[in-house]
Amino acid sequence: QSALTQPASVSGSPGQSITISCTGTSSDVGGYIYVSWYQQHPGKAPKLMIYEVSNRPSGVPDRFSGSKSGNTASLTISGLQAEDEADYYCSSYTSTNTLLFGGGTKLTVL
Amino acid sequence: EVQLLESGGGLVQPGGSLRLSCAASGFTFTSYDMNWVRQAPGKGLEWVSTISGGGTATYYGDSVKGRFTISRDNSKNTLFLQMNSLRVEDTAVYYCARRRATFDSWGQGTLVTVSS
Repeated sequence: QSALTQPASVSGSPGQSITISCTGTSSDVGGYIYVSWYQQHPGKAPKLMIYEVSNRPSGVPDRFSGSKSGNTASLTISGLQAEDEADYYCSSYTSTNTLLFGGGTKLTVL
Repeated sequence: EVQLLESGGGLVQPGGSLRLSCAASGFTFTSYDMNWVRQAPGKGLEWVSTISGGGTATYYGDSVKGRFTISRDNSKNTLFLQMNSLRVEDTAVYYCARRRATFDSWGQGTLVTVSS
C-alpha cells in the first residue's frame, strides 16, 4: 500500500492561486470518486476541505476547489490567505476496500 | 454537535499491548463506518483500520494486520483499537474518525509512544 504522491511543498503569495496534485493509480484515485482533501494546522486534527473529488462541506470557503483527471486529483486554493498556511493531505478509497493518504504537502503563504 | 473523544494512549514497551477507546456523541453511531488513522511524529497521515456500522466487517492496513483489532460497542457509542505486539514504529498520534465516503469528523487524537 504505497502512499499517494503529493509534492512535499508549495508556496504562494496572498491573493495568488496554488494547486496541489495527488497522483495514484487506476485502483484508487483513477477508479473512484471517493477522493478527499484535508487541511491540518500544527498540533491540530485534520479538517475535511473537499470530498468526492470536488464537493465542499458546509463552512469551507469557495476559494477551495477540487478536480480529477485520470489518476491525478488536484486541490486549488484561490485568493490565498495567511490562514491557509497548513499541511494538506489527499485520500482515496481503493479497490481492496482500504484507504490511502498522500504523503502531505506543506503550503507556505509568503 | 459531533464529538469524538479518544483515550487510552500512553507509554508502552516494545512487544506490549494497549487498548484505545473513542467515545462518540452527537450523531447516530451505527450509521457510520468508524476508523483509526495515525500520524507518526513529523510524518503524514496513515489509515490504520475501519469497522462497518454494524461491526460485521473490518479492514486493516498492511502494517498492523494481525497485530491490531478494531471493534465497537454500539450500545455505548464507543470504538476500540486493541494493539498487540507493539513496535517502535507504531509510535504516533492515533485519531478516531467517522466516515461515510469521507472522513468528515475527527477526534483530537491520543498519543501512543512505544519505547524501552
